[in-house]
Amino acid sequence: GENVEQHPSTLSVQEGDSAVIKCTYSDSASNYFPWYKQELGKGPQLIIDIRSNVGEKKDQRIAVTLNKTAKHFSLHITETQPEDSAVYFCAARPGAGTALIFGKGTTLSVSS
Amino acid sequence: DAGITQSPRHKVTETGTPVTLRCHQTENHRYMYWYRQDPGHGLRLIHYSYGVKDTDKGEVSDGYSVSRSKTEDFLLTLESATSSQTSVYFCAISDPRQGGETQYFGPGTRLLVL
Repeated sequence: GENVEQHPSTLSVQEGDSAVIKCTYSDSASNYFPWYKQELGKGPQLIIDIRSNVGEKKDQRIAVTLNKTAKHFSLHITETQPEDSAVYFCAARPGAGTALIFGKGTTLSVSS
Repeated sequence: DAGITQSPRHKVTETGTPVTLRCHQTENHRYMYWYRQDPGHGLRLIHYSYGVKDTDKGEVSDGYSVSRSKTEDFLLTLESATSSQTSVYFCAISDPRQGGETQYFGPGTRLLVL
């Protein structure tokens, strides 16, 4: 079955710096890759997603890139702010079905 | 979390007792999911439903059962709770007809099994 690896597990940056989180997946049939942000005590919230027919997607300070050949995708956050501090999860949807397979998460800390 | 509620939000129970968690949605989404979240494991799928009375197992389904008698409610039951089922449980919903592939998560239920 699908397996998603996420790195790093923790990431500390200074306010204003960029942050990059990387994920790899194993199932070449996976076709949908969302990113979720989870704040303490809350459920995960979708921040951006990308489909397999697209190589890059941006939404203000957030961007996601996908390399299907290498089977990896990355989240890029520019001009980080303290409110970006949270746990971020990547996920992949295998070709069959609707269920998502999640990475283990990255704890991002942005210090001012 | 809009449109998705989970109850209870916190529960402490003893080993061997049955526990039922409820997920309620007001979005009329077809698909509903139960995940558990544990440190070092991320989110793992327990069971999911693709319609009323239609359910299927996820990767960590042992010890859990589910039921969906109405579109809006998805119940997760631990028939005989064990300490290994101490976790935070999240419900999620999606509908290809409405939100596409996006899964929306509820606020979670924190379960402690003593």
